[in-house]
Amino acid sequence: KNEVEQSPQNLTAQEGEFITINCSYSVGISALHWLQQHPGGGIVSLFMLSSGKKKHGRLIATINIQEKHSSLHITASHPRDSAVYICAVTYSGAGSYQLTFGKGTKLSVIP
Amino acid sequence: NAGVTQTPKFQVLKTGQSMTLQCAQDMNHNSMYWYRQDPGMGLRLIYYSASEGTTDKGEVPNGYNVSRLNKREFSLRLESAAPSQTSVYFCASSEVFRGTEAFFGQGTRLTVV
Repeated sequence: KNEVEQSPQNLTAQEGEFITINCSYSVGISALHWLQQHPGGGIVSLFMLSSGKKKHGRLIATINIQEKHSSLHITASHPRDSAVYICAVTYSGAGSYQLTFGKGTKLSVIP
Repeated sequence: NAGVTQTPKFQVLKTGQSMTLQCAQDMNHNSMYWYRQDPGMGLRLIYYSASEGTTDKGEVPNGYNVSRLNKREFSLRLESAAPSQTSVYFCASSEVFRGTEAFFGQGTRLTVV
């Protein structure tokens, strides 16, 4: 079964800290997505990437295709960054319409 | 500029009742999806529609039916609700082969008692 593994499951940080969330997957993909979900809220797409690195404000996403690994970094973290961050992949080939999700990383940023 | 609109936001059903969750997108996407989200399980695909006129089962289709009414709308029906279907349901749309991001509705919190 194709799986997406995220670590850590839970993360508590002090405001201002640099945060890294990791995602690994098992087989070839056509794209990897990072999503954000605030408590009781909807799901918002942060990044979609198939190679290299993308940056949006204080958020940076990187992917290493050879190692089947991606990281989401948050610089100068803030309490409003507290949310669940979800990694998802679109696998290459058959079934490639579908997203396969990790179980999420719950981030709490303390003032 | 609505994106994906999903209704209702909350619903309580008695065991055996039926209901339909509605989803519409205004981004002209071909692909639409229904997911359920349960604690500790992550998001799991119930059904998807790769394009208008087609639907396919996902990981957890039992107890559900779907209809792709047109390119914009994709509904999910529970014919006879069971407590195991208590969950948060999300509709999503994307254009995978053109490399677009996935867009999600706000979710429906369903409780079956």
